[in-house]
Amino acid sequence: GENVEQHPSTLSVQEGDSAVIKCTYSDSASNYFPWYKQELGKRPQLIIDIRSNVGEKKDQRIAVTLNKTAKHFSLHITETQPEDSAVYFCAASSTDKLIFGTGTRLQVFP
Amino acid sequence: DTAVSQTPKYLVTQMGNDKSIKCEQNLGHDTMYWYKQDSKKFLKIMFSYNNKELIINETVPNRFSPKSPDKAHLNLHINSLELGDSAVYFCASSQVGGGNTDTQYFGPGTRLTVL
Repeated sequence: GENVEQHPSTLSVQEGDSAVIKCTYSDSASNYFPWYKQELGKRPQLIIDIRSNVGEKKDQRIAVTLNKTAKHFSLHITETQPEDSAVYFCAASSTDKLIFGTGTRLQVFP
Repeated sequence: DTAVSQTPKYLVTQMGNDKSIKCEQNLGHDTMYWYKQDSKKFLKIMFSYNNKELIINETVPNRFSPKSPDKAHLNLHINSLELGDSAVYFCASSQVGGGNTDTQYFGPGTRLTVL
């Protein structure tokens, strides 16, 4: 079946550094790629998304890039802060549903 | 003013029991979903409904039966609970039918523990 691979599974950075999380997808028909942030004990919340007609999107300290040819997309967080610590999920659209990656636990140390 | 709500937040029960989880959204969305998040945090879709019609059933055991009385509600009933059913169950909703290209909004989750 269709799947989304996400790396790394854990990521530790110093406050102020950048963090990059990468995903690859298998369904060539995928055209919507959201990223969700899940804090401990909370619900997943959308932080940014990108559609297949653009290659990059930015929202303040967060950016997402998409390479449709290679079927991969990445989340970039600059100037990380302790409150960025959470589990991040990528997802890719597939017929009638989203396929989620396995998550990346990001820890930002002060 | 909660967009997607679920009850209960916590559910602790014995093996073999039957339990239900309720979900409501006040966003006017057409599509609702149930996800299971296991102890490793994997988010896996179980069901989706579009305007009360079942769209996705991801090979979930038939002990799990979703019910959508109207497009604002999607409940999940689980029969004969097993230890492996312990997880956090999230409800979600999105604007348009099909849902795969629309933002999904998640409920707060229901932590089910089967003893």
